Amino acid sequence: QVQLQESGPGLVRPSETLSLTCTVSGGSVSTTRYYWGWVRQAPGKGLEWIGCIYYSGNTYRSPSLESRLIISVDTSKNQFSLKLSSLTAADTAIYYCARQEGGVSGSYHHDSWGPGTLVTVSS
Amino acid sequence: QSMLTQPPSASATPGERVTISCSGSRSNIADNFVNWYQQLPETAPKLVIYSDFRRPSGVPDRFSGSKSGTSASLAISGLQSDDEADYFCAAWDADLNGYVFGTGTKVTV
Repeated sequence: QVQLQESGPGLVRPSETLSLTCTVSGGSVSTTRYYWGWVRQAPGKGLEWIGCIYYSGNTYRSPSLESRLIISVDTSKNQFSLKLSSLTAADTAIYYCARQEGGVSGSYHHDSWGPGTLVTVSS
Repeated sequence: QSMLTQPPSASATPGERVTISCSGSRSNIADNFVNWYQQLPETAPKLVIYSDFRRPSGVPDRFSGSKSGTSASLAISGLQSDDEADYFCAAWDADLNGYVFGTGTKVTV
């Protein structure tokens, strides 16, 4: 059974860049069936899709974030990562990594999630 | 900037049935599959319905999904206290070329 685990800083200063990594175990990021994605949730708010990446490097990104967002994958480490720049307080959220169905069925559902990591943007 | 609208809350007594609606548009719900997630307090979301009506392994058949046009619904029958959670619909959006979540519904038992 695949497991995902986020890692990264819990506190980041405004205007800086957030870097998060998701380590996958029990499965391979090189699978052709799935994308690997990020979702965030601001305190007390709903879920917001950030983006996802295929093992080949093909990505989809939220239009509202794409100018500040880079998603990458490292198949040798079985990890994928997120970099979000020019942070503001509005980026304070729990960040989840998740396995996202790759669109073969057309569903794009997230079937496995990491526990999430809280990132606070504050000086 | 969610484009999928859900009622903020829904409630029912144990054993009853509750239905949650999700309203979207042609570019998301009508032309793509709808998925539903359950989020218990302080935990990561969990997939309960995918591809409009399919249940992942381990999800009880008390949970069912349906869709008609630009709207979808999640029904929970035989409501139990541990069904009390936030529920989010979601779908791929062809106009955005991305995935969108609904606004979320808090179910109280």
